[in-house]
Amino acid sequence: QVQLVQSGAEVKKPGASVKVSCKASGYTFNSYEINWVRQATGQGLEWMGWMNPNSGNTGYAQRFQGRVVMTRNITISTAYMELNSLTSEDTAVYFCARLAGDSGWTAWGQGTLVTVSS
Amino acid sequence: QSVLTQPPSASGTPGQRVTISCSGGSSNIESNYVYWYRQFPGTAPKLLIYMNSQRPSGVPDRFSGSKSGTSASLAISGLRSEDEGDYYCVAWDDSLSAPAFGGGTELTVL
Repeated sequence: QVQLVQSGAEVKKPGASVKVSCKASGYTFNSYEINWVRQATGQGLEWMGWMNPNSGNTGYAQRFQGRVVMTRNITISTAYMELNSLTSEDTAVYFCARLAGDSGWTAWGQGTLVTVSS
Repeated sequence: QSVLTQPPSASGTPGQRVTISCSGGSSNIESNYVYWYRQFPGTAPKLLIYMNSQRPSGVPDRFSGSKSGTSASLAISGLRSEDEGDYYCVAWDDSLSAPAFGGGTELTVL
Protein backbone atom coordinates (compact mmCIF):
# COMPACT_ATOMS: atom_id res chain seq x y z
CA GLN A 1 0.00 0.00 0.00
CA VAL A 2 1.02 3.61 -0.50
CA GLN A 3 3.04 4.84 2.43
CA LEU A 4 4.98 7.99 3.29
CA VAL A 5 7.26 7.65 6.30
CA GLN A 6 8.86 10.77 7.73
CA SER A 7 11.92 11.28 9.86
CA GLY A 8 11.70 11.77 13.59
CA ALA A 9 11.15 14.80 15.76
CA GLU A 10 13.75 17.55 15.83
CA VAL A 11 14.70 20.24 18.32
CA LYS A 12 16.55 23.21 16.89
CA LYS A 13 17.85 26.53 18.12
CA PRO A 14 16.75 29.81 16.55
CA GLY A 15 18.73 30.56 13.42
CA ALA A 16 19.45 26.91 12.70
CA SER A 17 18.19 24.77 9.83
CA VAL A 18 16.17 21.57 9.80
CA LYS A 19 15.89 18.91 7.12
CA VAL A 20 12.91 16.56 7.19
CA SER A 21 12.76 13.44 5.05
CA CYS A 22 9.77 11.65 3.57
CA LYS A 23 10.32 8.12 2.25
CA ALA A 24 7.75 6.82 -0.21
CA SER A 25 6.79 3.22 -0.84
CA GLY A 26 4.01 1.30 -2.54
CA TYR A 27 3.98 3.39 -5.71
CA THR A 28 6.27 4.85 -8.37
CA PHE A 29 7.93 7.74 -6.58
CA ASN A 30 8.57 9.71 -9.78
CA SER A 31 4.91 9.78 -10.76
CA TYR A 32 3.45 12.10 -8.13
CA GLU A 33 4.33 15.50 -6.76
CA ILE A 34 5.23 15.74 -3.10
CA ASN A 35 3.78 18.70 -1.22
CA TRP A 36 4.72 19.90 2.23
CA VAL A 37 2.15 21.22 4.69
CA ARG A 38 2.76 22.33 8.25
CA GLN A 39 0.58 22.80 11.30
CA ALA A 40 1.44 24.73 14.42
CA THR A 41 0.00 23.36 17.64
CA GLY A 42 -3.74 24.00 17.80
CA GLN A 43 -3.67 25.80 14.47
CA GLY A 44 -4.79 25.08 10.92
CA LEU A 45 -2.91 23.74 7.93
CA GLU A 46 -0.38 25.81 5.99
CA TRP A 47 0.97 24.87 2.58
CA MET A 48 4.70 25.28 2.06
CA GLY A 49 5.30 24.15 -1.49
CA TRP A 50 5.66 21.31 -3.96
CA MET A 51 8.39 19.24 -5.57
CA ASN A 52 8.19 17.16 -8.74
CA PRO A 53 10.32 14.07 -8.08
CA ASN A 54 10.72 13.38 -11.77
CA SER A 55 12.14 16.75 -12.81
CA GLY A 56 13.23 18.12 -9.45
CA ASN A 57 11.22 21.25 -10.17
CA THR A 58 9.85 23.05 -7.14
CA GLY A 59 7.39 25.76 -6.22
CA TYR A 60 7.27 27.47 -2.85
CA ALA A 61 4.65 29.47 -1.01
CA GLN A 62 5.61 33.13 -1.09
CA ARG A 63 6.15 33.39 2.66
CA PHE A 64 8.79 30.65 2.55
CA GLN A 65 10.61 31.82 -0.58
CA GLY A 66 14.31 32.03 0.07
CA ARG A 67 14.08 30.02 3.25
CA VAL A 68 12.89 26.59 2.12
CA VAL A 69 14.46 24.06 -0.22
CA MET A 70 12.72 20.89 -1.40
CA THR A 71 14.81 18.15 -2.93
CA ARG A 72 14.69 14.43 -3.58
CA ASN A 73 16.80 11.32 -3.92
CA ILE A 74 15.13 9.17 -6.54
CA THR A 75 17.31 6.13 -5.84
CA ILE A 76 15.81 5.81 -2.37
CA SER A 77 12.36 7.27 -3.16
CA THR A 78 12.81 10.01 -0.59
CA ALA A 79 11.81 13.65 -0.59
CA TYR A 80 13.36 16.27 1.65
CA MET A 81 12.28 19.63 2.98
CA GLU A 82 14.92 21.91 4.45
CA LEU A 83 13.88 25.07 6.28
CA ASN A 84 16.51 27.63 7.20
CA SER A 85 16.78 30.55 9.62
CA LEU A 86 14.37 28.96 12.03
CA THR A 87 12.43 31.02 14.55
CA SER A 88 10.04 30.00 17.29
CA GLU A 89 7.20 30.57 14.85
CA ASP A 90 8.44 27.61 12.83
CA THR A 91 7.61 25.25 15.67
CA ALA A 92 5.06 22.96 14.07
CA VAL A 93 4.32 19.50 12.76
CA TYR A 94 5.50 19.18 9.18
CA PHE A 95 3.69 16.80 6.82
CA CYS A 96 4.60 15.53 3.39
CA ALA A 97 1.70 14.60 1.14
CA ARG A 98 1.43 12.93 -2.23
CA LEU A 99 -0.54 14.96 -4.76
CA ALA A 100 -2.53 12.79 -7.14
CA GLY A 101 -3.46 15.55 -9.56
CA ASP A 102 -7.11 16.54 -9.32
CA SER A 103 -7.67 13.73 -6.84
CA GLY A 104 -5.97 15.75 -4.14
CA TRP A 105 -3.51 14.82 -1.40
CA THR A 106 -4.26 11.12 -1.29
CA ALA A 107 -1.49 10.00 1.03
CA TRP A 108 0.24 11.73 3.92
CA GLY A 109 3.27 11.15 6.05
CA GLN A 110 2.77 10.74 9.76
CA GLY A 111 4.17 14.19 10.48
CA THR A 112 7.43 15.41 11.99
CA LEU A 113 7.43 17.71 14.99
CA VAL A 114 10.02 20.45 14.72
CA THR A 115 10.53 22.45 17.89
CA VAL A 116 12.53 25.68 17.75
CA SER A 117 13.67 26.78 21.15
CA SER A 118 16.69 28.46 22.68
CA GLN B 1 -6.78 34.58 9.13
CA SER B 2 -7.71 31.86 6.65
CA VAL B 3 -8.59 32.58 3.03
CA LEU B 4 -11.56 30.21 3.17
CA THR B 5 -14.10 30.66 5.94
CA GLN B 6 -15.43 27.75 7.95
CA PRO B 7 -17.39 27.74 11.19
CA PRO B 8 -14.98 26.92 14.02
CA SER B 9 -17.29 24.28 15.43
CA ALA B 10 -20.25 22.09 14.56
CA SER B 11 -22.12 19.45 16.48
CA GLY B 12 -24.87 16.90 16.18
CA THR B 13 -26.30 13.85 17.82
CA PRO B 14 -25.82 10.29 16.57
CA GLY B 15 -27.87 9.64 13.45
CA GLN B 16 -28.29 13.30 12.62
CA ARG B 17 -27.21 15.06 9.47
CA VAL B 18 -24.62 17.81 9.86
CA THR B 19 -23.39 20.29 7.28
CA ILE B 20 -20.11 22.19 7.37
CA SER B 21 -19.84 25.25 5.16
CA CYS B 22 -16.80 26.71 3.42
CA SER B 23 -16.97 30.20 1.96
CA GLY B 24 -14.45 31.66 -0.43
CA GLY B 25 -14.30 33.82 -3.53
CA SER B 26 -13.94 33.99 -7.28
CA SER B 27 -10.24 33.19 -7.23
CA ASN B 28 -10.59 29.98 -5.28
CA ILE B 29 -13.84 28.09 -4.76
CA GLU B 30 -15.69 29.58 -7.71
CA SER B 31 -13.03 28.67 -10.23
CA ASN B 32 -11.35 25.59 -8.78
CA TYR B 33 -12.12 22.25 -7.21
CA VAL B 34 -12.83 21.99 -3.50
CA TYR B 35 -11.36 19.28 -1.31
CA TRP B 36 -12.28 18.18 2.18
CA TYR B 37 -9.93 16.58 4.70
CA ARG B 38 -10.58 15.20 8.14
CA GLN B 39 -7.97 15.15 10.88
CA PHE B 40 -8.00 13.37 14.20
CA PRO B 41 -5.82 14.77 17.02
CA GLY B 42 -2.18 13.85 16.60
CA THR B 43 -2.60 12.33 13.16
CA ALA B 44 -2.26 13.41 9.55
CA PRO B 45 -5.24 14.71 7.60
CA LYS B 46 -7.12 12.26 5.43
CA LEU B 47 -8.86 13.00 2.14
CA LEU B 48 -12.66 12.78 2.36
CA ILE B 49 -13.89 14.55 -0.78
CA TYR B 50 -12.09 15.56 -3.94
CA MET B 51 -13.17 17.52 -7.01
CA ASN B 52 -16.08 19.08 -5.07
CA SER B 53 -18.14 15.94 -4.61
CA GLN B 54 -16.13 12.80 -5.32
CA ARG B 55 -15.42 10.26 -2.63
CA PRO B 56 -12.17 8.27 -2.57
CA SER B 57 -12.61 4.55 -2.26
CA GLY B 58 -13.15 3.60 1.34
CA VAL B 59 -14.95 6.79 2.33
CA PRO B 60 -18.57 5.96 3.27
CA ASP B 61 -21.38 7.47 1.23
CA ARG B 62 -22.55 9.16 4.42
CA PHE B 63 -20.08 11.86 3.40
CA SER B 64 -21.03 14.12 0.51
CA GLY B 65 -19.67 17.36 -0.89
CA SER B 66 -21.22 20.09 -2.96
CA LYS B 67 -20.28 23.45 -4.40
CA SER B 68 -22.24 26.45 -5.58
CA GLY B 69 -20.64 29.68 -6.68
CA THR B 70 -18.14 30.82 -4.06
CA SER B 71 -19.27 28.38 -1.37
CA ALA B 72 -18.95 24.69 -0.72
CA SER B 73 -20.27 22.36 1.91
CA LEU B 74 -19.62 18.98 3.40
CA ALA B 75 -22.59 16.97 4.62
CA ILE B 76 -22.35 14.05 6.98
CA SER B 77 -25.47 11.95 7.40
CA GLY B 78 -26.09 9.24 9.96
CA LEU B 79 -23.63 10.90 12.32
CA ARG B 80 -21.45 8.57 14.37
CA SER B 81 -19.19 9.17 17.34
CA GLU B 82 -16.17 8.26 15.24
CA ASP B 83 -16.92 11.22 12.95
CA GLU B 84 -15.61 13.57 15.60
CA GLY B 85 -12.56 15.45 14.43
CA ASP B 86 -11.39 18.53 12.57
CA TYR B 87 -12.58 19.11 9.01
CA TYR B 88 -10.75 21.34 6.55
CA CYS B 89 -11.77 22.63 3.13
CA VAL B 90 -9.09 23.41 0.56
CA ALA B 91 -9.18 24.98 -2.89
CA TRP B 92 -6.49 26.27 -5.20
CA ASP B 93 -6.36 30.05 -5.22
CA ASP B 94 -5.45 31.62 -8.56
CA SER B 95 -4.45 34.93 -6.96
CA LEU B 96 -2.13 33.29 -4.45
CA SER B 97 -0.90 30.59 -6.84
CA ALA B 98 -1.21 28.34 -3.83
CA PRO B 99 -3.82 26.23 -2.09
CA ALA B 100 -6.16 28.16 0.17
CA PHE B 101 -7.31 26.54 3.38
CA GLY B 102 -10.27 26.95 5.63
CA GLY B 103 -9.49 27.42 9.30
CA GLY B 104 -11.01 24.06 10.16
CA THR B 105 -14.24 23.00 11.82
CA GLU B 106 -14.20 20.91 14.97
CA LEU B 107 -17.06 18.45 14.83
CA THR B 108 -18.47 17.14 18.09
CA VAL B 109 -20.92 14.29 18.32
CA LEU B 110 -23.05 14.92 21.39
